Amino acid sequence: AQTVTQSQPEMSVQEAETVTLSCTYDTSESDYYLFWYKQPPSRQMILVIRQEAYKQQNATENRFSVNFQKAAKSFSLKISDSQLGDAAMYFCAYRSAMTNSKLTFGKGITLSVRP
Amino acid sequence: DTGVSQNPRHKITKRGQNVTFRCDPISEHNRLYWYRQTLGQGPEFLTYFQNEAQLEKSRLLSDRFSAERPKGSFSTLEIQRTEQGDSAMYLCASSPRDATPLHFGNGTRLTVT
Repeated sequence: AQTVTQSQPEMSVQEAETVTLSCTYDTSESDYYLFWYKQPPSRQMILVIRQEAYKQQNATENRFSVNFQKAAKSFSLKISDSQLGDAAMYFCAYRSAMTNSKLTFGKGITLSVRP
Repeated sequence: DTGVSQNPRHKITKRGQNVTFRCDPISEHNRLYWYRQTLGQGPEFLTYFQNEAQLEKSRLLSDRFSAERPKGSFSTLEIQRTEQGDSAMYLCASSPRDATPLHFGNGTRLTVT
């Protein structure tokens, strides 16, 4: 079974600074997808960024980028120019490329942004 | 795209009562998922539908839990004889096909007293 580990329960960043959230995962599969989801206090889970394991290039979405290290099974999220609205829980998630696969989440990290 | 809709938003019930939650996925999304999330934790998978077929159930889904998706559109999650340990946020998500990101609803917050 696949597992996703987020070992940092909380992080804090100064507004306009850069922060990196860590995630590791364990799998025996070679083809899969990795995601970062954001859950603001309103509770709705929102997709931040997605990475296909077969792609070597790291995904980027505006201020959000990932550092995907397949051999190390590491998938960190970098948030640049942090904004107050970035404060939320962030979840790393894994999904197999096999048919009918589900999303497996880490425990999440609470990010606070200091003005 | 009106998003995934879940009702009710909040439910308070006494231990031993039955409760039912509803999820309306994004139209044309044939995959529907139920997750449970306790405070400060990541969502845990409960069950998954492709159209009306329930293809996978987690060990977390005890005999007191049942989920249906009778016409392949909306889904219901019923918990019978609720226990205090059932208190959690119940999240529904949908996706149009494999390997695509899940779209989540706002969840139903269940409190069992």
